[in-house]
Amino acid sequence: GAGVSQSPSNKVTEKGKDVELRCDPISGHTALYWYRQSLGQGLEFLIYFQGNSAPDKSGLPSDRFSAERTGGSVSTLTIQRTQQEDSAVYLCASSLGGRQPQHFGDGTRLSIL
Amino acid sequence: QQQVKQSPQSLIVQKGGIPIINCAYENTAFDYFPWYQQFPGKGPALLIAIRPDVSEKKEGRFTISFNKSAKQFSLHIMDSQPGDSATYFCAASPNWNTDKLIFGTGTRLQVFP
Repeated sequence: GAGVSQSPSNKVTEKGKDVELRCDPISGHTALYWYRQSLGQGLEFLIYFQGNSAPDKSGLPSDRFSAERTGGSVSTLTIQRTQQEDSAVYLCASSLGGRQPQHFGDGTRLSIL
Repeated sequence: QQQVKQSPQSLIVQKGGIPIINCAYENTAFDYFPWYQQFPGKGPALLIAIRPDVSEKKEGRFTISFNKSAKQFSLHIMDSQPGDSATYFCAASPNWNTDKLIFGTGTRLQVFP
C-alpha cells in the first residue's frame, strides 16, 4: 500500500513487559513522527526524525520510551517496563518535511493489563 | 506558550447546520495552521491549512477564519452532513521548526440527520 503502515494494530500486554511498535512510512518521506493519543485526548508529540539529523526526543514522557529509525525508513518505538498509564493509541506519521502534510497510520492500540 | 487551545470539546449539530470550532495560541512564532480530521479507528488526515497572511481560506464546505491580532483561528463547516461526524484537530507550526506541529486537544463533532 501507499500509506503509512503500523503494526501491530492492537497489542495487549501485562504491566512490566516491554513492547515494540513498528511504523513503515511512505517511501521517500524524510520526516517521521510518533504521537500518543489517550482516550478522548489530543495528539501528544513524542519524537520525530528528519533525515540524518539527531531526533527530537523532547516529547518522550520518560526514559522508558525510546525510538529508532533504521536506514531512514522503518521506525520502532519501544516502551520498557510498561505501566498502565501507557495504555493509549500510538500514532505514526510521515511527511516530506517542512510544511508538507503529515500522513498518519491508523495507529497501534496498546492496552496494559 | 507552546500550547494550542481548542474549543469546544464536543459539538452536536443537525444536518445543514454550521458547526464552528475555535483555536487560540499565544506564541507569535507560530505561522502555519492546519486542521486535521480523524474518523474513529483511523489516523488523522489533513483537511485544510492557512498561513497568517490571509484572513480566510475556503476549500469546498470547509472554511478557516484567521484573526492574527487576536491570535485565534476557527474552522467552519458549511451545510454539515452526517459524514462530517469526526474529531477535528487544529494545529500550529512554529517558524523556528517547520517540521513540527503542536496539536489542539480535539473537538468531537456529531452531525445528526
